[in-house]
Amino acid sequence: DIVMTQTPLSSPVTLGQPASISCRSSQSLVHSDGNAYLSWLQQRPGQPPRLLIYKSSNRFSGVPDRFSGSGAGTDFTLKISRVEAEDVGVYYCMQATQFPHTFGQGTKLEIK
Amino acid sequence: QVQLVESGGGVVQPGSSLRLSCAASGFTFSRNAMHWVRQAPGKGLEWVAVISYDGSNKYYADSVKGRFTISRDNSKNTLYLEMNSLRAEDTALYYCARDAPGGVGTFDIWGQGTMVTVSS
Repeated sequence: DIVMTQTPLSSPVTLGQPASISCRSSQSLVHSDGNAYLSWLQQRPGQPPRLLIYKSSNRFSGVPDRFSGSGAGTDFTLKISRVEAEDVGVYYCMQATQFPHTFGQGTKLEIK
Repeated sequence: QVQLVESGGGVVQPGSSLRLSCAASGFTFSRNAMHWVRQAPGKGLEWVAVISYDGSNKYYADSVKGRFTISRDNSKNTLYLEMNSLRAEDTALYYCARDAPGGVGTFDIWGQGTMVTVSS
């Protein structure tokens, strides 16, 4: 199975400041079709997960442009350019290149 | 609007069975692969199973293989998860999620979840 490792596990951030979360996979996420099926999801307290980024760098419909995804191979990053109060929650990376699909442990974003 | 609504959760004893349902609306259900994902209390997300748009292909997490069965009824716009030989470690909030059209593991729509508690 592909192991997904996120860092940091907790990220206190000041409102208006940037935040960055790293996700590393134990194997390359490049699929035979050339795509890297790496998604980022946000889970606000008491809510189901919500898709933010798919295929490493594609922002999902309705997601604010302060969220961006990058990376290739085994190293991926989610960046929030200016953190807002509504961004509080847990962020997960997930690989869907191979079965079983696997998630990172989650990174808790909180406001300082 | 596009919606997924899970049901069927509850409190059961170890070794029991339970069937979860996920009712889809607002989109053409028969065009999308569908997934089950679970979340134990206070823990992270765990992918459980996937079924292709027509039900011909299914994959499972090792932790549930041989005990859980994913299925769908496209005429009823409903996804199912049959869970047998339940264990305490299966206690979790179970979400169904849609795989985006043309996407691979792009979980674009999620339900609110249904809670399963396995306890004696």
